[in-house]
Amino acid sequence: AQSVSQHNHHVILSEAASLELGCNYSYGGTVNLFWYVQYPGQHLQLLLKYFSGDPLVKGIKGFEAEFIKSKFSFNLRKPSVQWSDTAEYFCAVRIYGNNRLAFGKGNQVVVIP
Amino acid sequence: NAGVMQNPRHLVRRRGQEARLRCSPMKGHSHVYWYRQLPEEGLKFMVYLQKENIIDESGMPKERFSAEFPKEGPSILRIQQVVRGDSAAYFCASSPPEGPTSGNTIYFGEGSWLTVV
Repeated sequence: AQSVSQHNHHVILSEAASLELGCNYSYGGTVNLFWYVQYPGQHLQLLLKYFSGDPLVKGIKGFEAEFIKSKFSFNLRKPSVQWSDTAEYFCAVRIYGNNRLAFGKGNQVVVIP
Repeated sequence: NAGVMQNPRHLVRRRGQEARLRCSPMKGHSHVYWYRQLPEEGLKFMVYLQKENIIDESGMPKERFSAEFPKEGPSILRIQQVVRGDSAAYFCASSPPEGPTSGNTIYFGEGSWLTVV
């Protein structure tokens, strides 16, 4: 079965530090890739997505992610975090032509002012 | 994307009761999905519906759970005879008529938190 792995479930860092969250998936075919963010008490919001083209994807709020096909990875990065980036981040994968998203377990990120 | 509306936001049920969760998709969206989030877990796909049709229910438990998306009105996820293990956050999502395979984003609602006591 397809799986999505996110490591380091809890991440604590200071403002202005750089953030990188790993995401690996197990499916070998064509995939669509997503990062969602869930702020406390709110719904999931799309940060960015990759369907095709440039493997370096720019998202909202200064986030970016890089698709490395050979490594089955889609890591999320932000060069300098802010306190307002405290949230849970979910990586999701959709097999091309399928309807469902497979989610990782999420990364709980806490940014200390 | 506050357009996906879920209610109730919080629901408490005693074991054996029924829980009904409602979801109104974004305006113009005709595809609805339900996901469940257990503590310390990611979201798990449950069911995918279009108007009056269940397209994929492979993630739904075989018993006690059902979902519908009638021609008029919201989509409803129904859980009969709830047990403590049903306590979770249930998220609804929607996408446009062309569906997710056309590159459309799936938008999520704020979730409904079910607590079974």
